[in-house]
Amino acid sequence: AQSVTQLDSHVSVSEGTPVLLRCNYSSSYSPSLFWYVQHPNKGLQLLLKYTSAATLVKGINGFEAEFKKSETSFHLTKPSAHMSDAAEYFCVVSDMDSSYKLIFGSGTRLLVRP
Amino acid sequence: GAVVSQHPSRVICKSGTSVKIECRSLDFQATTMFWYRQFPKKSLMLMATSNEGSKATYEQGVEKDKFLINHASLTLSTLTVTSAHPEDSSFYICSAEWWGLRLAGEGGETQYFGPGTRLLVL
Repeated sequence: AQSVTQLDSHVSVSEGTPVLLRCNYSSSYSPSLFWYVQHPNKGLQLLLKYTSAATLVKGINGFEAEFKKSETSFHLTKPSAHMSDAAEYFCVVSDMDSSYKLIFGSGTRLLVRP
Repeated sequence: GAVVSQHPSRVICKSGTSVKIECRSLDFQATTMFWYRQFPKKSLMLMATSNEGSKATYEQGVEKDKFLINHASLTLSTLTVTSAHPEDSSFYICSAEWWGLRLAGEGGETQYFGPGTRLLVL
């Protein structure tokens, strides 16, 4: 069965420093992987997605993630955090075994200190 | 980009009443819509999947008679919480998918999410 583990419930960084949000997945088939961001009182926004093309995926707002099959990881990174990046981030997996339903991780709350 | 709206954004109701939440795809035809529930500081839990013109498919443990879903058109799905109780208080989020993306080889189905509806049952 598919599953997603977000290793950190909270991550705190200073503005201008790198961001790393960790995600490990479990999937029987070639998965599709996503990162979504949820700002308070706003809908989920797709940051980026991996669908078996390039393993390094670039998303919006300077975020990127690398699919590493050997490590079953899909960590989200950004070189320099901005105050507006403070939000909840969800790693999501989808594959044929789940009938392409989205399986969400538990979320990581990113705090950005001035 | 694809926009999905939800109405109302928040609702407070008395225990025992029914509440209807609407989900609309504003600029695309949603062949499939999904309803999620999000508990405070928790992840999203898929409740059901609805395809236009057919009955919704509910996830295990979700009461279909309590959470009525109707997907009457390609741009509108509704979730009705019947005889609501305080334990139904939650954040309900819908999403919509355009089948055309899957056929076009997009792979990795992209769902477009609504802003959510916060339900409080007193």
